[in-house]
Amino acid sequence: GAVVSQHPSWVICKSGTSVKIECRSLDFQATTMFWYRQFPKQSLMLMATSNEGSKATYEQGVEKDKFLINHASLTLSTLTVTSAHPEDSSFYICSARSPGLAGGYNEQFFGPGTRLTVL
Amino acid sequence: GENVEQHPSTLSVQEGDSAVIKCTYSDSASNYFPWYKQELGKGPQLIIDIRSNVGEKKDQRIAVTLNKTAKHFSLHITETQPEDSAVYFCAARKGRVNAGNMLTFGGGTRLMVKP
Repeated sequence: GAVVSQHPSWVICKSGTSVKIECRSLDFQATTMFWYRQFPKQSLMLMATSNEGSKATYEQGVEKDKFLINHASLTLSTLTVTSAHPEDSSFYICSARSPGLAGGYNEQFFGPGTRLTVL
Repeated sequence: GENVEQHPSTLSVQEGDSAVIKCTYSDSASNYFPWYKQELGKGPQLIIDIRSNVGEKKDQRIAVTLNKTAKHFSLHITETQPEDSAVYFCAARKGRVNAGNMLTFGGGTRLMVKP
């Protein structure tokens, strides 16, 4: 299957600082990327959908000014957690949708996740 | 919107036994049903999926069944091995190619395979 990478895999930062997480599709072009947040022992919660070259669409309750998303190219999307606080500590996972077969469906592949800890 | 329920939340089986995880969905328009395996500290990995025009799909020890009328689908793992231990998520999505439709995830099942 297609490969999606994330960097960094983990990060620890002080409260009030900003953290950038990168998501890359390594062997395919992803017109759409998704950002999820996952708390311990819980399911994935969609935060936003990112389309290349346009503004991200945020899910209800997700602060767009706090979680800045930039999808600058067909292989790269970034999530910046601004002015991070301890409650932002979580596992952040990106996903990229691969081109579908003609008449078929788009597969969605996930990155390995980034564990953010805010002290 | 779509709502996906997954059961059980935890499942413990003996190595070699079968494991079954069930999901129900609410939106009859959903037409794509993937299953993901997530190991500790890692992202979800697609293990098998099924489209709404198919009732069953197999891949070695893994199979998925879909009952569109009842709006439920199940993951079957036969001859379980310790390395099958992980959290499994079902998901559902509606829509055609390139539409901006989202996956809705179930709550997850923690599968433990005891040697």
